[in-house]
Amino acid sequence: DIQMTQSPSTLSASVGDRVTITCWASQSISRWLGWYQQKPGKAPKLLIYDVSTLESGVPSRFSGSGFGTEFTLTIDSLQPDDFATYYCQQYNTYSPYTFGQGTKVEIK
Amino acid sequence: EVQLVESGGGQVQPGGSLRLSCAASGFSISTSWMHWLRQVPGKGLVWVSRINSAGTTTGYADSVKGRFTISRDNAKNTLYLQMNSLTAEDTALYYCAGGGNLFDPWGQGTLVTVSS
Repeated sequence: DIQMTQSPSTLSASVGDRVTITCWASQSISRWLGWYQQKPGKAPKLLIYDVSTLESGVPSRFSGSGFGTEFTLTIDSLQPDDFATYYCQQYNTYSPYTFGQGTKVEIK
Repeated sequence: EVQLVESGGGQVQPGGSLRLSCAASGFSISTSWMHWLRQVPGKGLVWVSRINSAGTTTGYADSVKGRFTISRDNAKNTLYLQMNSLTAEDTALYYCAGGGNLFDPWGQGTLVTVSS
């Protein structure tokens, strides 16, 4: 299985901050990476796919980058609605599909 | 409005069985791969199983292979997960989701608790 590792596990930030979450794959996954946002008591929501393509309706303050084994999710000017847990997911191979362990973005 | 609504969760004894359902509205599952995923409360997301649009190709995580069976009834716009030989490690919130290699949309989940 492809292992996905996220860092940090928890991130404390303030409204207006720029935050970056990193996700590493245990082997190359090319550009087959997505990011999800999950709020407490809610199902995850797909934000970004193919590393950097924003799902329809996702604010442009979200962006993604990377290739191969290292990827980042950046949120420019953090908004109150952005405090949530973020997961990366690889779909390079149905090997199975795997997620990172999550990064909780909390209010500083 | 797209909605996926899971049902069938509950408490079951180790070794028992449950059948989960996922009813779709505002979204035709007949044209989509469908998936089950699970999440232990407070923990991460784990993919469990998938089925193609025709119901002819399925896949499972190693942890559930041979015990869980995914199926679909496109006429009823409903996805199923038959879970047998349940263990405490299967305790989780189970989500259904549509999509190919990505998961969208999602249901709100149904809680499965395996405990004596």
